[in-house]
Amino acid sequence: GENVEQHPSTLSVQEGDSAVIKCTYSDSASNYFPWYKQELGKGPQLIIDIRSNVGEKKDQRIAVTLNKTAKHFSLHITETQPEDSAVYFCAAGGGSSNTGKLIFGQGTTLQVKP
Amino acid sequence: DAGVIQSPRHEVTEMGQEVTLRCKPISGHDYLFWYRQTMMRGLELLIYFNNNVPIDDSGMPEDRFSAKMPNASFSTLKIQPSEPRDSAVYFCASSLRVGVGETQYFGPGTRLLVL
Repeated sequence: GENVEQHPSTLSVQEGDSAVIKCTYSDSASNYFPWYKQELGKGPQLIIDIRSNVGEKKDQRIAVTLNKTAKHFSLHITETQPEDSAVYFCAAGGGSSNTGKLIFGQGTTLQVKP
Repeated sequence: DAGVIQSPRHEVTEMGQEVTLRCKPISGHDYLFWYRQTMMRGLELLIYFNNNVPIDDSGMPEDRFSAKMPNASFSTLKIQPSEPRDSAVYFCASSLRVGVGETQYFGPGTRLLVL
């Protein structure tokens, strides 16, 4: 079935360093790849997304890259700040079934040390 | 828009009791999703609806769980009877119809504790 693998499960960086989270997906028909940030006690919130017709998208300190051939995509956070500490989820949608369903990765707990 | 609204935000109940979780999606969204989040299993999709019709309920753990969407602005997830292993955070999310965008907008969640 459809599957999304996310790595690493935990990531600790010093404030100001960059953080990279990687995901791979199994359904080659997937065409929509959002990233969610979940802060403690809250629901996941969309932070950036990318569609299959582009290879990279940037929004201030965050960027996402997509390699459709390899079926993987990554989240890059530059100049990390303590408030970036949270759980990050990748997801893939628009696959073969095209039902509107998103397949989520297992999540990455990011800790930014001051 | 107020976003996805869920109630209650916290629920503590005893094993065997019925639990009903409620969700109001964002107005105009055609898709509604129910998720369960635990430390062990992560974020699991339980069921989702399109235009109030259940599309995929393969994630519902067992017959004790049921979900309804009587109209476009309201959905319920019911657990009867509840068990301690049902303790989790339950999220509701909604999205626009396929083709326009598949971004899912999550509610704040209901934290359920079954004693």
